[in-house]
Amino acid sequence: ETGVTQSPTHLIKTRGQQVTLRCSSQSGHNTVSWYQQALGQGPQFIFQYYREEENGRGNFPPRFSGLQFPNYSSELNVNALELDDSALYLCASSSSDGIYYGYTFGSGTRLTVV
Amino acid sequence: AQKITQTQPGMFVQEKEAVTLDCTYDTSDPSYGLFWYKQPSSGEMIFLIYQGSYDQQNATEGRYSLNFQKARKSANLVISASQLGDSAMYFCAMREVSGGSNYKLTFGKGTLLTVNP
Repeated sequence: ETGVTQSPTHLIKTRGQQVTLRCSSQSGHNTVSWYQQALGQGPQFIFQYYREEENGRGNFPPRFSGLQFPNYSSELNVNALELDDSALYLCASSSSDGIYYGYTFGSGTRLTVV
Repeated sequence: AQKITQTQPGMFVQEKEAVTLDCTYDTSDPSYGLFWYKQPSSGEMIFLIYQGSYDQQNATEGRYSLNFQKARKSANLVISASQLGDSAMYFCAMREVSGGSNYKLTFGKGTLLTVNP
């Protein structure tokens, strides 16, 4: 089975620009979550998508938005980039079937805002 | 208030020795799950071990075991027979409800483990 793939691996953007990050979920997984990991910190939950709808959100402003597609892949969009948005963005897929919610993470996208 | 606390920013261990990484958590939910992940410099979060709040026995996965003390709200990771490849950041995380029946992971700040030859 394939794991979680994220693209691009690295990205440099200018303050005020918009960015789209992409994630393909693991085969058999129908839920995708996004996390932001600032340097030296643990990942912070941004939001989660299930059946193409956002069904959970962390403490992030509306300029962080996302999509989930019928094949369960997902995009994270960030508008009006700020310097503090520089971080590693991790995507995790999981299955909502069953009691155990295992999460498979991708290798992340390193975003630098200058 | 922090929900996951990892008090050891860095730990050193000699190759082939055992090491314990500490994690305490805070929740009022009777149903929760605890995870440990390894993050090498490449960035990927690698799943190590899972403990459910209702599990009667401590979880084990190869060289990894989880010392689960529910009353103390502690979920320490024990790595036996450390290897050089174990050098990485280690994160403790808790699965908790994020509105309705949705779940999210809440992570600690991590512990940087260095294995010395």
